[in-house]
Amino acid sequence: AQKVTQAQTEISVVEKEDVTLDCVYETRDTTYYLFWYKQPPSGELVFLIRRNSFDEQNEISGRYSWNFQKSTSSFNFTITASQVVDSAVYFCALSGGSGISSGSARQLTFGSGTQLTVLP
Amino acid sequence: DAGVTQSPTHLIKTRGQHVTLRCSPISGHKSVSWYQQVLGQGPQFIFQYYEKEERGRGNFPDRFSARQFPNYSSELNVNALLLGDSALYLCASSFWTGRSNQPQHFGDGTRLSIL
Repeated sequence: AQKVTQAQTEISVVEKEDVTLDCVYETRDTTYYLFWYKQPPSGELVFLIRRNSFDEQNEISGRYSWNFQKSTSSFNFTITASQVVDSAVYFCALSGGSGISSGSARQLTFGSGTQLTVLP
Repeated sequence: DAGVTQSPTHLIKTRGQHVTLRCSPISGHKSVSWYQQVLGQGPQFIFQYYEKEERGRGNFPDRFSARQFPNYSSELNVNALLLGDSALYLCASSFWTGRSNQPQHFGDGTRLSIL
C-alpha cells in the first residue's frame, strides 16, 4: 500500500520569509512518481512538479525548490521569499510505477495537505 | 487551450437521490480520473478510465460508477446518495504513455451537498 504523510497541518509565515513544506512517503514500488499540487481557495488543483524515483536531483523553479531524498523517503518543497499569493493548501502525492507498461491505473495517493498562510 | 471542464459547479441533492457529474478532458488527453475530496482532507481516488475502459477503481462502494465516451469525456454517477457523499468531486485528465506517469491536470470540481 502507498501512503503520503504531510505532518504540518497549518503553517503561517510573514511575507518574504522562506518556508518548507514536508512530505514523507511509503511505497513498495521500485519505480514511482512524486508530485506537488497547489489548491487555492477556488478549489482547482494546480500541478507544480513531478519527479520520478530515479532522479534525485534537486530542482529549482523561480522561488520554488524541491528536495528529493530516497534515503529518508522525503520530497520537501521550499518557497523562498514567500508572497501573499502563495497562500493555499499544498498537497504532496505519489503514483506507483508498477502499472506503467500493463496499462493499469496510475492513481494518485495524496497526503492530507498543508494549509500555508502568508501574512502581509 | 481549455483546461479540464466540469459541470455542474455546484449541486444540492437529498438522501437517496441519484447524481451525474460530467467532465471534459484537455484536448489530446485520453485518460480521465475521478477523485472525491472531503472537506479538510486530500483527494481520494475513485476511478480511472483510458480509451473508454476502466483501468482502476478505488475503495468506493458499487453506488459509484463511471464511464468514458468516444470523445474521451466522462460521467461519474452516484446512486442512493448518503450524507457522507457530500464532497468536492474532482476530475483530472492526462496523457497516457507506456513509459511514465504523466501529470494529471484537474478541473475546478463539482461541489456536491447532500441534505
